[in-house]
Amino acid sequence: DTEVTQTPKHLVMGMTNKKSLKCEQHMGHRAMYWYKQKAKKPPELMFVYSYEKLSINESVPSRFSPECPNSSLLNLHLHALQPEDSALYLCASSQVRAGADNEQFFGPGTRLTVL
Amino acid sequence: SQQGEEDPQALSIQEGENATMNCSYKTSINNLQWYRQNSGRGLVHLILIRSNEREKHSGRLRVTLDTSKKSSSLLITASRAADTASYFCATVPGSARQLTFGSGTQLTVLP
Repeated sequence: DTEVTQTPKHLVMGMTNKKSLKCEQHMGHRAMYWYKQKAKKPPELMFVYSYEKLSINESVPSRFSPECPNSSLLNLHLHALQPEDSALYLCASSQVRAGADNEQFFGPGTRLTVL
Repeated sequence: SQQGEEDPQALSIQEGENATMNCSYKTSINNLQWYRQNSGRGLVHLILIRSNEREKHSGRLRVTLDTSKKSSSLLITASRAADTASYFCATVPGSARQLTFGSGTQLTVLP
């Protein structure tokens, strides 16, 4: 299984809502990532988990809260988002953290719209 | 933060022609990777070239790396309509251990 799955595919939420994005991989990868991508822009790294521990937080606002319950799952909890947070949220995984000769495997993304 | 710039920003060619995209980066790197993204979808890894390699091939893809100029190019030969996508270079800067993406090239292959 060389797939990274993400749910939901689309999410529309109000600024007062709480929602979660989910990501799953069964490739035995020990590094997992959240990226945010705005239209016609490259992905921007948000968080990196390495061996289920948060290793990088790219100064992301606290309204985004990541969680790694086990080596296969990665969640992104959303609370009190702003309309400018609307974007495609991509999850990725790799065998170990980037820096070694590792490709990253990406999920299809969750298209988030904040009203 | 964005490590690299790609040019052109957009490229439109006819099916069967070759497409060349260029990537420039700012700092020393461990490796450079190319990814493809179909509209609104996830990224797919195409090829990785290490800092001590100068050229690499994979099917219809040819990647070159010039570390003295801090630049790389991706050549897609005999393009197909299915190659229509955004192409991103991504580097692992020497001092960091995370992938940083270039600005991307939007390739359109006309049938």
